[in-house]
Amino acid sequence: GESVGLHLPTLSVQEGDNSIINCAYSNSASDYFIWYKQESGKGPQFIIDIRSNMDKRQGQRVTVLLNKTVKHLSLQIAATQPGDSAVYFCAENGAAGNKLTFGGGTRVLVKP
Amino acid sequence: DAGVIQSPRHEVTEMGQEVTLRCKPISGHDYLFWYRQTMMRGLELLIYFNNNVPIDDSGMPEDRFSAKMPNASFSTLKIQPSEPRDSAVYFCASNQQGFYGYTFGSGTRLTVV
Repeated sequence: GESVGLHLPTLSVQEGDNSIINCAYSNSASDYFIWYKQESGKGPQFIIDIRSNMDKRQGQRVTVLLNKTVKHLSLQIAATQPGDSAVYFCAENGAAGNKLTFGGGTRVLVKP
Repeated sequence: DAGVIQSPRHEVTEMGQEVTLRCKPISGHDYLFWYRQTMMRGLELLIYFNNNVPIDDSGMPEDRFSAKMPNASFSTLKIQPSEPRDSAVYFCASNQQGFYGYTFGSGTRLTVV
């Protein structure tokens, strides 16, 4: 289940700093968005979601922001830890309800 | 809850051979999805089922690929004959009606030589 080798944009972050990962989505009909985390050798893991009637949602150390005007989604990770090193994907449900389309992903590397 | 279970974890096969990937979704989930992950194309949806019925197979690359879901607890993705360009990680995921967050399995890394 590895994503190693993907030619992904990479965000290098110092441990303890905040991380911001951005995503531009494509379908203005999408009403549901999700962020997934994929660690090496594993499948994508659900982090947080947001519906289109919201512009912000907070979880444990993570915040998702949604700007529907410019079709932009971001994931903020507070006090980034080594365990946050992974590839992060945004996903949207488009007009098809239960069918998710994934973005290309961003690799986050946390420096000790 | 054991999560979504996929087998095998790794498969190496020769070009032309038949390959069968297996998936057991989470009990009670009524949707099942097959995704393929490659360096070039990222995560692509191949096919998904609702209540064991294929709903959308528009992502299946060609007739060499087929998927079945004979019951609520088992699905297969078959490639026959396999080609080197089929090499990828194949993920199965499941969820319940009304909740879009899928639970993914650990994937099957397929290498066709």
